[in-house]
Amino acid sequence: EADIYQTPRYLVIGTGKKITLECSQTMGHDKMYWYQQDPGMELHLIHYSYGVNSTEKGDLSSESTVSRIRTEHFPLTLESARPSHTSQYLCASSEEQGYLNTEAFFGQGTRLTVV
Amino acid sequence: SQQGEEDPQALSIQEGENATMNCSYKTSINNLQWYRQNSGRGLVHLILIRSNEREKHSGRLRVTLDTSKKSSSLLITASRAADTASYFCATALRYSTLTFGKGTMLLVSP
Repeated sequence: EADIYQTPRYLVIGTGKKITLECSQTMGHDKMYWYQQDPGMELHLIHYSYGVNSTEKGDLSSESTVSRIRTEHFPLTLESARPSHTSQYLCASSEEQGYLNTEAFFGQGTRLTVV
Repeated sequence: SQQGEEDPQALSIQEGENATMNCSYKTSINNLQWYRQNSGRGLVHLILIRSNEREKHSGRLRVTLDTSKKSSSLLITASRAADTASYFCATALRYSTLTFGKGTMLLVSP
């Protein structure tokens, strides 16, 4: 069982609300990621971080923002939620090994519905 | 654009049969990884094969990698109903992040 946790698991929220999806890991991993996945579809990388105070945008344009103030915590924020943000959001982390990509550990995901 | 592409998109078999899924990718890689996702859950890492390896085993899983064809296959032997899930390949480029394919949905019927 991976030590990476996402809260909430499910969230239904109204349009225009600000939301923060939480992600925490206890493995001491430097690399953390946020993926967006629609049901039955591929994963799209929206944000990643190589360590504290490091954040980068991923392949898929996203209106969300992230922060990395502590190694174990990588929250994702939507300032104004819209129905187009309805999706599953997956957080992951992996160990830093130079330029090598090691196995990623995933949280259980947050399924977001914006009404 | 997505680096990995799984084939087939969906596969339905009976318990006890073998399941084979394929993954093709576009550029040179450091390693290729396979993950499983049960419905509505996060992904679980299954196996990692490095670019200088050709075959790797883990329990009932067998992964092959052909870098000349830029392709990999995942074989699950003696499938069980509990193997029902989506399976994704992920490619790892140098100094980059993991890129996932679209996945293969496997249904194993009792």
